[in-house]
Amino acid sequence: DIQMTQSPASLSASLEEIVTITCQASQDIGNWLSWYQQKPGKSPQLLIYGATSLADGVPSRFSGSRSGTQYSLKISRLQVEDIGIYYCLQAYSAWTFGGGTKLELK
Amino acid sequence: QVQLKESGPGLVQPSQTLSLTCTVSGFSLTSNSVHWVRQPPGKGLEWVGAIWSGGSTDYNSALKSRLSISRDTSKSQVFLKMNSLQTEDTAIYFCTRYYYSGYFDYWGQGVMVTVSS
Repeated sequence: DIQMTQSPASLSASLEEIVTITCQASQDIGNWLSWYQQKPGKSPQLLIYGATSLADGVPSRFSGSRSGTQYSLKISRLQVEDIGIYYCLQAYSAWTFGGGTKLELK
Repeated sequence: QVQLKESGPGLVQPSQTLSLTCTVSGFSLTSNSVHWVRQPPGKGLEWVGAIWSGGSTDYNSALKSRLSISRDTSKSQVFLKMNSLQTEDTAIYFCTRYYYSGYFDYWGQGVMVTVSS
């Protein structure tokens, strides 16, 4: 089974700060990686698919990148509405979520 | 527009069977796959299983022996049945549409299932 190691588990950042969350895949998954944002009491919402493509309606301050088997989600200028929990998902072999990153305001 | 909505009992007794329904609209089950994802209280997301546009299924290997996913295309409904429930199965259960490029693009609101006597 493919494991997705997400870091950090929690993150405190200030408004307008650059935030980066990473997921390390246990093996090659190509670009079969997506990112989701979940707010309290809500279902997850798609942010990034194909490792780097921005989903419809997602602000351009969100971006995704890949370096080998490490994937990153970057928020260029943190806004208050970005607070929530972020998850990566691999869909290369079955489906595995990362453990999640709880993003809070400092 | 695309919508998914889960329904089912909020409380199930240990060792009993859970039955959930996902009713979809705005797309066809014969053209898209639907997956189930669950989330224990305060914890992360776990993929549960899927039913594909052709009717075949895939299950989380840890749940496979207890799990069955089926559908009624005429009613646009997908069903999840899980037997021998344990307290560890307490979670919010989401159904979600899977896009063939490898991501979940639409999600239901989720249904909370508590396993308790």
